[in-house]
Amino acid sequence: DAGVTQSPTHLIKTRGQQVTLRCSPKSGHDTVSWYQQALGQGPQFIFQYYEEEERQRGNFPDRFSGHQFPNYSSELNVNALLLGDSALYLCASSRGTLQFFGPGTRLTVL
Amino acid sequence: GEDVEQSLFLSVREGDSSVINCTYTDSSSTYLYWYKQEPGAGLQLLTYIFSNMDMKQDQRLTVLLNKKDKHLSLRIADTQTGDSAIYFCAEGRETGTASKLTFGTGTRLQVTL
Repeated sequence: DAGVTQSPTHLIKTRGQQVTLRCSPKSGHDTVSWYQQALGQGPQFIFQYYEEEERQRGNFPDRFSGHQFPNYSSELNVNALLLGDSALYLCASSRGTLQFFGPGTRLTVL
Repeated sequence: GEDVEQSLFLSVREGDSSVINCTYTDSSSTYLYWYKQEPGAGLQLLTYIFSNMDMKQDQRLTVLLNKKDKHLSLRIADTQTGDSAIYFCAEGRETGTASKLTFGTGTRLQVTL
């Protein structure tokens, strides 16, 4: 049984560009949450998707958007990239309370 | 407010016990968690405790919860070099149908020979 998978592993973009990150949840999980982890910090909650709808959002600007598909996989989109968006982006899946994390996507904005 | 605090660094000798501490602010948290992160990797769920419990033991791991002081600790018995990692405390806050985790800044555990 595969755990949470994320793609790509690493990504380099320039300021102003747009990026899409992808996440596949653990088998049997129906909820996907996204977190941003800046270097040396703990993860910060971006938003959570359930039944293809965003049901809670953290303190992130509208440049951050997402989507959940009928197969429960999810995408995180970031528009107009800033240098400060450089971070490890973590996806977590759950069915109920416990959230299990993927390996993350390391985004570098130059 | 939403704040979870941890000390930044802990060094222990192999075979000793490690105790990592955390304080949180939200008394309405339902669950409290400990995650482990190794270099360049995602977060591994180590253990968790429901907010109406005082203690939970899981093999080498013991979690203690003091709700009055909003203090959580993780004890690792017989610490091994493979335990070297960053440990994050997190509180789970459920609002309606959603649940988000609020993390501390992490405690780096260094295990020396």
